[in-house]
Amino acid sequence: DAKTTQPNSMESNEEEPVHLPCNHSTISGTDYIHWYRQLPSQGPEYVIHGLTSNVNNRMASLAIAEDRKSSTLILHRATLRDAAVYYCILKTYDKVIFGPGTSLSVIP
Amino acid sequence: GAVVSQHPSWVICKSGTSVKIECRSLDFQATTMFWYRQFPKQSLMLMATSNEGSKATYEQGVEKDKFLINHASLTLSTLTVTSAHPEDSSFYICSAGTGGRTNEKLFFGSGTQLSVL
Repeated sequence: DAKTTQPNSMESNEEEPVHLPCNHSTISGTDYIHWYRQLPSQGPEYVIHGLTSNVNNRMASLAIAEDRKSSTLILHRATLRDAAVYYCILKTYDKVIFGPGTSLSVIP
Repeated sequence: GAVVSQHPSWVICKSGTSVKIECRSLDFQATTMFWYRQFPKQSLMLMATSNEGSKATYEQGVEKDKFLINHASLTLSTLTVTSAHPEDSSFYICSAGTGGRTNEKLFFGSGTQLSVL
């Protein structure tokens, strides 16, 4: 079981911010929230991860709800190269299960 | 950043033959590797988890005799699809981690597109 739920698809205009939501109501205390993205015919690429506090890196920001049951990946200015499937996963010690992800389309 | 090299990128084979896919961690020791398969327009499906020096743990419904996984060293894991059939045609992806800590990043190979004729 994936343990996370995400919208199937989202659209964004180029150069506008994008907020990609993820629900993970069954998260346990030791689970980190990871985000990866996948371009067509490629392996997934790491985007960001966090535990409780919001996180920022050069690619994106991750906002984690206080109860940790949801999180939001924020792309500050979407570009055409950000069009991909974004996966939110809960990383446990023994395995990594992917849910369906959100297919992000960026409109020029 | 860490790199995972996966070869070949694509392979076409005849039905009944076996195909080996390699996954190498180039600049770190991968104590754990994950193997996924992905059908068009679908998400990644975990096939098995392998730890260096021990037998792989297969997910329910994955035939261990058909999908042989070897993780003999800290930098190399292989997936062999034995007696491949057209229904095995898929995109196979490996992923490597350094030990299973929940906060570690995962690094993915670029995938192998297998087409069985």
